Amino acid sequence: DSGVTQTPKHLITATGQRVTLRCSPRSGDLSVYWYQQSLDQGLQFLIQYYNGEERAKGNILERFSAQQFPDLHSELNLSSLELGDSALYFCASSVVPSTNSPLHFGNGTRLTVT
Amino acid sequence: SQQGEEDPQALSIQEGENATMNCSYKTSINNLQWYRQNSGRGLVHLILIRSNEREKHSGRLRVTLDTSKKSSSLLITASRAADTASYFCATDAQLETGANNLFFGTGTRLTVIP
Repeated sequence: DSGVTQTPKHLITATGQRVTLRCSPRSGDLSVYWYQQSLDQGLQFLIQYYNGEERAKGNILERFSAQQFPDLHSELNLSSLELGDSALYFCASSVVPSTNSPLHFGNGTRLTVT
Repeated sequence: SQQGEEDPQALSIQEGENATMNCSYKTSINNLQWYRQNSGRGLVHLILIRSNEREKHSGRLRVTLDTSKKSSSLLITASRAADTASYFCATDAQLETGANNLFFGTGTRLTVIP
């Protein structure tokens, strides 16, 4: 068990809808990362937060947004959903935003857009 | 893209055999990490090797790094059925913002046949 909790585990919704994915980092970790994993794109970095502040952005669409709250949990909001947004969304955490330490991943939220 | 690329994409071996996976990357790195992903689960960190290291061991895992060739290999010795998983390399790269982040390859799917 990595200590990173993601909810919900599965989400099925229709095109055009909006969903929110939630992540609780491992106790003591201040940095949260969001990744998208789809069959044809591999694991894509979306966005990173550190202690409530956005620190880095990757291939995140404008329809997607995220935030990290004072209690350090994070939410990823996906809006105007398209079929191509169907994927596994992973949250990971680390103590500090350094690439010199390992990331601890949650078990992901599987999003299916119909 | 700053992603590493794993080779082969899929590998099938008999239990007890050794498995070797390779990773190539494009730009200079500070470190390289290997992760394992069991089907439908989150990634689990296996090992981190720094750019000034050439080889690292952890149990049945052996990782090598050749920065001149921009490549790394992961060797799993005496494989077990429980080693069946996808294996990813992750390299650190600098984003346009100046922040460093981990970027993952597309993975090698390892099947160990009992």
